[in-house]
Parts: sequence; C-alpha cells; structure tokens
Amino acid sequence: DADVTQTPRNRITKTGKRIMLECSQTKGHDRMYWYRQDPGLGLRLIYYSFDVKDINKGEISDGYSVSRQAQAKFSLSLESAIPNQTALYFCATSGTGDNEKLFFGSGTQLSVL
Amino acid sequence: AQSVTQLGSHVSVSEGALVLLRCNYSSSVPPYLFWYVQYPNQGLQLLLKYTTGATLVKGINGFEAEFKKSETSFHLTKPSAHMSDAAEYFCAVSDLPPQGGSEKLVFGKGTKLTVNP
Repeated sequence: DADVTQTPRNRITKTGKRIMLECSQTKGHDRMYWYRQDPGLGLRLIYYSFDVKDINKGEISDGYSVSRQAQAKFSLSLESAIPNQTALYFCATSGTGDNEKLFFGSGTQLSVL
Repeated sequence: AQSVTQLGSHVSVSEGALVLLRCNYSSSVPPYLFWYVQYPNQGLQLLLKYTTGATLVKGINGFEAEFKKSETSFHLTKPSAHMSDAAEYFCAVSDLPPQGGSEKLVFGKGTKLTVNP
C-alpha cells in the first residue's frame, strides 16, 4: 500500500461546485502539504500543516481551504470551484531531522468545467 | 527570495548518451538545493540534495549534481541514459535546512526528459 494516498485520482466537476480532495498517510509524519502542479509552472504550495492545530497558508491559498482531521489525514477543499483551478493536486508529507524530505502521493487530476 | 530557473522545458537524448539537465538558482543566503523526479502518473520523489560539505552530490539511479557557487548552478547529470530515466525533473531551492524547512522549497518549472532508443 502507498505511504501517501490521495482520493479521488481523477475528478471532473462544474464551476461553482464544492469539492474535497482527501489525503491520508501511514508514514507517521506530523507535517503535511498540499501542492498544485500546472504544466510549465512547476509545483506551488497551497497550504501546509505542522500538526493538527497548526495550519498555514502557502503561496497560493486563495480559493482553497484545508482541514487536518487527524495526524494522518489532511483534506483540501475548493468551496466554489472555478476553471482556473483545473490542475494536478499533490499531497505530501515530511518528517524532521537530517533526513527530512517530501514524500508525495500520486496526485489528483481535477478538471473544472 | 529564492528562485530557480531550469533551462529547457524538454530535453531529448539517445539511450546511452549523457544526460545534462540545467538548473540555476537565486538566493540571498547559502542555498539548500534539491532535484526531484516525477515518473509518469506518480508523485515526485527525491533524487538528491545538497546541504553543506562536498559540492558533488550523488543520488539514486546513477544521477549526480554539482553545486557551483560561482555559477549559481546545480546541474544534474548521468553518464549514460536509460529508457527508464524518461520522466520530468524538478530542481528546487530552500533557504532553510532540510530538517524543518520543506515549506520553504521553491520548485523550478520542470524539465521533461525523453530517452530515444
């Protein structure tokens, strides 16, 4: 089983709909992240969380919200989806210490029509 | 603020040829530098990182990168390309050490590597 699991893998929705993307991890990490990837733009950070009570905005948080339900679960919501939120979304986790690195899920491709 | 420029959004090489993916960074403090790889339909995974010490860094799958401060570069190389190296490669920079600074990572726009038989 994957260490970082994202659901759904693909989602098509309409403008104005509320959408939730879910992420769960079995790595036991405290730190979790949501990124979006757009062709030719690389990855940009949306939100990150250092523990259940510590949530922070990233570079492009407008139009998004998050919920950290437990150490292992971190959800991303689009309250009212718009077409320019069409992108590939990644959840990631990281530990701490000298070997800290990001572990990514396989991504959720979201299309907003 | 840090930034990363990856020269060439697409690079094509023949199997067995040298792979060279270019990355230049901008940082007002000593940088921490990373290369991540994304295989088709997968998330990113760390190839290698430079923190301090030796400027030539070896990573997984035969890749290596050299930190050159004078050139503000961190180019990724592999002596002999394999078909399985076909992927997208991302250079990233941070001004915080890896132990506790992943939220400060700034990614480049990526370079897609194609390996021809």
